[in-house]
Amino acid sequence: EIVMTQSPATLSVSPGERATLSCRASQSVSSNLAWYQQKPGQAPRLLIYGASTRATGIPARFSGSGSGTEFTLTISSLQSEDFAVYYCQQYNNWPPRTFGQGTKVEIK
Amino acid sequence: EVQLVESGGGLVKPGGSLRLSCAASGFTFSSYSMNWVRQAPGKGLEWVSSISSSSSYIYYADSVKGRFTISRDNAKNSLYLQMNSLRAEDTAVYYCARDLEGVLWFDYWGQGTLVTVSS
Repeated sequence: EIVMTQSPATLSVSPGERATLSCRASQSVSSNLAWYQQKPGQAPRLLIYGASTRATGIPARFSGSGSGTEFTLTISSLQSEDFAVYYCQQYNNWPPRTFGQGTKVEIK
Repeated sequence: EVQLVESGGGLVKPGGSLRLSCAASGFTFSSYSMNWVRQAPGKGLEWVSSISSSSSYIYYADSVKGRFTISRDNAKNSLYLQMNSLRAEDTAVYYCARDLEGVLWFDYWGQGTLVTVSS
């Protein structure tokens, strides 16, 4: 099973600042990585797939990069609606499709 | 508009059973693989099970294998999860989520249904 590790667990950022979230895989997942956003009481929402392709309707301030074992989600200028928990998920080797434990982006 | 609506959650005693349903609309259900993903209270996401569009391929997480059964009815645009021998650690919000056959990310999710296993 591929283990996904996200860091940091919590990221405190001021509105308008840049946020950089990391996700590491225990073995190569190529570019088969997705990112999701989850707000309290809501279902997750797909942000990025293929490590760097934005899903339909996702603002350009969200960008993904990386391949192999190291991945990054960058939010260029945080808006109030971006404060949430973010999860990475690999789909290269499955079952199981595994998620990271999440990074909470909170208001500084 | 794509909609996935889960139902069937509730309180059940350890060792009991429950059947979850997910009603799909707004897309060609029979063209998509479907999945169950759960989230324990205050915890992260855990993939539970997947079923291909024609039910030919079915997969389970080790944590539920032998206890849970995924199924679908393409004529009714519905996905199911039969959960038997429930344990306290199965307590979670259960989401149904779709993925287009051959692509393995979850592009739409339902709002979830809460399953609580407690005596």
